[in-house]
Amino acid sequence: AQSVTQPDARVTVSEGASLQLRCKYSYSGTPYLFWYVQYPRQGLQLLLKYYSGDPVVQGVNGFEAEFIKSNSSFHLRKASVHWSDSAVYFCAVSAYYGNEKITFGAGTKLTIKP
Amino acid sequence: ETAVFQTPNYHVTQVGNEVSFNCKQTLGHDTMYWYKQDSKKLLKIMFSYNNKQLIVNETVPRRFSPQSSDKAHLNLRIKSVEPEDSAVYLCASSRTGGVYAEQFFGPGTRLTVL
Repeated sequence: AQSVTQPDARVTVSEGASLQLRCKYSYSGTPYLFWYVQYPRQGLQLLLKYYSGDPVVQGVNGFEAEFIKSNSSFHLRKASVHWSDSAVYFCAVSAYYGNEKITFGAGTKLTIKP
Repeated sequence: ETAVFQTPNYHVTQVGNEVSFNCKQTLGHDTMYWYKQDSKKLLKIMFSYNNKQLIVNETVPRRFSPQSSDKAHLNLRIKSVEPEDSAVYLCASSRTGGVYAEQFFGPGTRLTVL
């Protein structure tokens, strides 16, 4: 069975500071990894995805994530956050082939201080 | 631009009533999903439909039932709501399998049961 752990329920950073949101996954096969963002009163939106190739994947709005297989991690990073980045961020894992089920982490609520 | 549409945005009802939520996707996807998101933002998959066939049912209570007229529509009916049904219900869609497994979400329907 696949699972995702986001160890930080809440993260607060100052505007302009760098950011890392942690994600660890458990899956025995080749994982298909995602980061989604949910802004207040909206559905989830895809930030980035990874299934092969360069382990550092670029996403929208300056976000990137690095796949580290040896550590089963897929942390999300941003060099300089903006107040509009305040949202809930979900890491997710799916099987690479033949399985439509995505397993989501519990989410990390990001608050940006002015 | 939103490609997964949900109605209504909000619904307030009393215990024991029946409610129905609508979802439509214009992406030409094969599979649609319903998720329940609780007050702590935890996402739990309830149903998924692929070509009118139910392929995932995560042991939700029997008062919940998905209804699909075609692959672009997946409605959710709750017969005789209970207080614990208060949540945000998110609809999503995806192409089937593999590298197309990313899901696209609607804005959600917030249900409050009094």
